Amino acid sequence: EPEVTQTPSHQVTQMGQEVILRCVPISNHLYFYWYRQILGQKVEFLVSFYNNEISEKSEIFDDQFSVERPDGSNFTLKIRSTKLEDSAMYFCASRPGTGKSTIYFGEGSWLTVV
Amino acid sequence: GESVGLHLPTLSVQEGDNSIINCAYSNSASDYFIWYKQESGKGPQFIIDIRSNMDKRQGQRVTVLLNKTVKHLSLQIAATQPGDSAVYFCAETYSGNTPLVFGKGTRLSVIA
Repeated sequence: EPEVTQTPSHQVTQMGQEVILRCVPISNHLYFYWYRQILGQKVEFLVSFYNNEISEKSEIFDDQFSVERPDGSNFTLKIRSTKLEDSAMYFCASRPGTGKSTIYFGEGSWLTVV
Repeated sequence: GESVGLHLPTLSVQEGDNSIINCAYSNSASDYFIWYKQESGKGPQFIIDIRSNMDKRQGQRVTVLLNKTVKHLSLQIAATQPGDSAVYFCAETYSGNTPLVFGKGTRLSVIA
């Protein structure tokens, strides 16, 4: 069964460092997302991406965050200068097309900022 | 307001019993709902979805009920098994084009 894959599964970084989290969405999907989950809390929306541009973003997704689809398969989330409060599990997700279609999540990248 | 942090509603059931997990959603305009299962350290896993033109949908061992009048969603798991132990989230969206909004989650513990 096709799945969303994410790397790395876990990254520890120093505060102020840049981090890139990578995702390979399901191949025929058109919409891509990043969500995050702080330990013990609910999953929160960060950004959605369609047709090579951001379609929507939340208040969390400030200037420190950016997304990119550098080629036909990868979808990345960059955090420019990490803060302690960026420590969370980051989930990539994708869905096939418009309308009410299921969103599939990856296994997550656990980011620890020290 | 919403509670945040480590406190999650917990439901403990005996193996073999039926489980009912409830969710109150926030947006009356939402018309597509999904239940996800999240095991420790893993991503949300799709269980079942329902559109607002339905009030019930059945899957394998799972049933989702939707009550739009009171903005309530429930997930019923029949013959609960130890492998069902996880945190369950409901999520809502409008026409699938707005971002999924997740509920707080319920931890299901199955007692063998």
